[in-house]
Formats: sequence, structure tokens, C-alpha cells
Amino acid sequence: QSVLTQPPSVSGAPGQRVTISCTGSSSNIGAGYDVHWYQQLPGTAPKLLIFANLNRPSGVPDRFSGSKSGTSASLAITGLQTEDEADYYCQSYDSSLSGWVFGGGTKLTVL
Amino acid sequence: EVQLVESGGGLVKPGGSLRLSCAASGFTFSSHNMNWVRHVPGKGLEWVASISGTSGYINYADSVKGRFTISRDNAKHSLSLQMNSLRTEDTAVYYCARDQVPFLESKYNWFDPWGQGTLVTVSS
Repeated sequence: QSVLTQPPSVSGAPGQRVTISCTGSSSNIGAGYDVHWYQQLPGTAPKLLIFANLNRPSGVPDRFSGSKSGTSASLAITGLQTEDEADYYCQSYDSSLSGWVFGGGTKLTVL
Repeated sequence: EVQLVESGGGLVKPGGSLRLSCAASGFTFSSHNMNWVRHVPGKGLEWVASISGTSGYINYADSVKGRFTISRDNAKHSLSLQMNSLRTEDTAVYYCARDQVPFLESKYNWFDPWGQGTLVTVSS
């Protein structure tokens, strides 16, 4: 069981909007540590998608956005495209564990 | 171009040892903290270990503490993970990943880029 909780799967039709939640606790997200999001396409390494809660690296489309509030964070994807089908992971630092923690991952299916 | 290339994975019996390496290029290696993260097939990502640029700060996940050792050679732009007393549950793809911002404490940083990964299979 992961320290950060994500839904196992989400789905949406092309062009629609989906959100992926990431719920933590007072020792990680709630303690003020930033949340980062990674996209892992099938058979490839994870790729940074959102850093420090809401920032996009260069090259990441503005269809991807992040937010954080309290002990939770969310990743929103608008204008879904078939190439968005991937696993998405949230990450934060945990002061109780003195290390990095990841969510269990969410598989996005574009119907 | 920033690049990380892992090597050293393979099949090993329970209780055995393996040493993973990560060759870095395209950036000032000594300025960045480095990390190992693993992906168990069918499961999620798990952070394994981190090391600061000077090797002065090293941290491990509880699941590998006492069995794995992270190290780096800044002159050779190389990161290593010595894995001893391997267990079947250590079977995973192991990735090396760079803390993106140089000289920034790891807990405030994020991982970018990641290598392509190397598969470690622990089985009798």
C-alpha cells in the first residue's frame, strides 16, 4: 500500500477532461512538501510532467496542469488525446519516513 | 544532451549480489544529487536510495537499508548501487534519476531526467 493514494484507473473520451487525485497526509503533502507528477508511457522510463505542484517543464503541453491543497494534489488533463494513455504517478517527500514517496499510479485509458 | 544510462541488471539467485551502474553525461555531475528508483512489474514506483553531490548525505528506503549501498564517482560521472542479500521482492526495473536543480536539498527537488532502466530479476 502506497503512502500517497491515487485511483488505480481513470478514463475519458478524446477531447474530454480528466483529473487524477493524489491524497497524502500531514507528514508529506500536508507538511508543505511539493508534489511532482510523472508520466510513464508503456515500456518507457518515467518522464517529469509537473514539478513543484503546478509547474510544467518546457515541452509539456498546457493541457496538463497541477494543483495542491491541504493534504491532496490533483493532475488535470484537458483535451484528451490517444497519446496520453499512460500511467501517472505523484511524488512527494515524507518527513516521517525521511525519504521520497510515490503514489501507486493511475492508468489513464483514452476510450 | 543530458543522458543517464544504466547497466548491470540480470538474473540472480536469492541471497546473491549485483552491482548496478549509471553513466551520466551532458551536465555537471558533481553538482546534482542522484537517486535510484525501482518499478516492480505490475506495481508502482518505489524510491530506493539518494546520494548528495559530495556523497556527504546518503539515504535509503527502509526496505533496502543494510542490504544496498549507493555510491558515486564524480571523476567518472558514475553512480552505483551495490545490492547484497537480494530477495525475490527486489525484482524490478531499476532507474537512476537526477535531482534537477543543482545544489538544492533533495527534499525540495524533483527527478529529471530518468535513465532507461535495467531489469533485475531475483529468482531461484
